[in-house]
Amino acid sequence: DAGVIQSPRHEVTEMGQEVTLRCKPISGHDYLFWYRQTMMRGLELLIYFNNNVPIDDSGMPEDRFSAKMPNASFSTLKIQPSEPRDSAVYFCASSSGGGAGKNIQYFGAGTRLSVL
Amino acid sequence: AQSVAQPEDQVNVAEGNPLTVKCTYSVSGNPYLFWYVQYPNRGLQFLLKYITGDNLVKGSYGFEAEFNKSQTSFHLKKPSALVSDSALYFCAVRARTVETGANNLFFGTGTRLTVIP
Repeated sequence: DAGVIQSPRHEVTEMGQEVTLRCKPISGHDYLFWYRQTMMRGLELLIYFNNNVPIDDSGMPEDRFSAKMPNASFSTLKIQPSEPRDSAVYFCASSSGGGAGKNIQYFGAGTRLSVL
Repeated sequence: AQSVAQPEDQVNVAEGNPLTVKCTYSVSGNPYLFWYVQYPNRGLQFLLKYITGDNLVKGSYGFEAEFNKSQTSFHLKKPSALVSDSALYFCAVRARTVETGANNLFFGTGTRLTVIP
């Protein structure tokens, strides 16, 4: 397996624009996580899915952020409208079975977002 | 309440010397504890985990960690550091989110390890 695949690797956009980040989890994994990493706040869990269903979105900062998982092999994180404070590295991770936080999470390489 | 703490932002160690990266946790019940490593411009990679059993856990790249229930600690160790071990290390613990009650993995703030040649 190629691991967790995220696209794009880098995104530069202007304030107010819509941004869509994409993630393909490892085949067979039933948990998918979206994280945000910044120098100030470290690594934050934004939302996670189990069997394509959102379980905990309490980390989503505000209504400008939304995430979907239409099927087991694809998820998106959308920011609309984007703001400079959204600039960060966004990671997607997936894991298999057992309950969230019990098993190893495999991380993608991340998307570095810069909002100007 | 903070679930996991890494008290040191930065640890420097000479190549060949033993290294320790500290982690303490605060959760109810039996903890699930993890260490991950992050190299520049990469995602986090799993190193090792403790769920139950032997308090000394061995992981990838010669790393090990000792679970200490009385001190609520899970320090990462390696007997002899390599320059290639220089990276950002994260401790993580499974805990419940206050808002939803769902179980999640909570990460510490990370410790940057620099191994000096």
